[in-house]
Amino acid sequence: NAGVTQTPKFQVLKTGQSMTLQCAQDMNHNSMYWYRQDPGMGLRLIYYSASEGTTDKGEVPNGYNVSRLNKREFSLRLESAAPSQTSVYFCATDGVAMNTEAFFGQGTRLTVV
Amino acid sequence: GQQVMQIPQYQHVQEGEDFTTYCNSSTTLSNIQWYKQRPGGHPVFLIQLVKSGEVKKQKRLTFQFGEAKKNSSLHITATQTTDVGTYFCAGRETGGFKTIFGAGTRLFVKA
Repeated sequence: NAGVTQTPKFQVLKTGQSMTLQCAQDMNHNSMYWYRQDPGMGLRLIYYSASEGTTDKGEVPNGYNVSRLNKREFSLRLESAAPSQTSVYFCATDGVAMNTEAFFGQGTRLTVV
Repeated sequence: GQQVMQIPQYQHVQEGEDFTTYCNSSTTLSNIQWYKQRPGGHPVFLIQLVKSGEVKKQKRLTFQFGEAKKNSSLHITATQTTDVGTYFCAGRETGGFKTIFGAGTRLFVKA
């Protein structure tokens, strides 16, 4: 039982490159989230998905796109990476209807040079 | 939209001192959750409070949910170096479907 799996764990990109961060959960939860956490700072919500096929912008969506491929998977895409997107990215999931806590992936440490 | 504010942003304490972080929501919450993130790690669930005025304890940690279900606090008695990390509160608006996290309080404990 893996819980929430994020890939990759580390990534270095050049400015302007694109990449997709993958997230998969095996907890049968409806809600999935993408957050970014800058050094010494809190979590900022990028995008949220309440269920398969639906996504909503969070606090800092600019420069990102998401795709809720199915109930298990929620990917985050950077089309043209910028140094300001250097951060740690966390995927999380919770079961809103079941009033459960949020489970986080291990994080992706992204550096844009 | 719903906002969850958390103070202080940082707290430095001497080992053995107490520590408290406070969480306030702009709207009534159906629940409040608390998480701990160790340095270099990911947030991990500590506890959930659901009832108005609820108080729960986990060893040296005491969690409270306000009567109006709009505020909460986490109190650590006699901090230890193992308490170092960032503590987040998170709440869901009554009737809402999204969990909103506070900005977190980063705790530093000096031995």
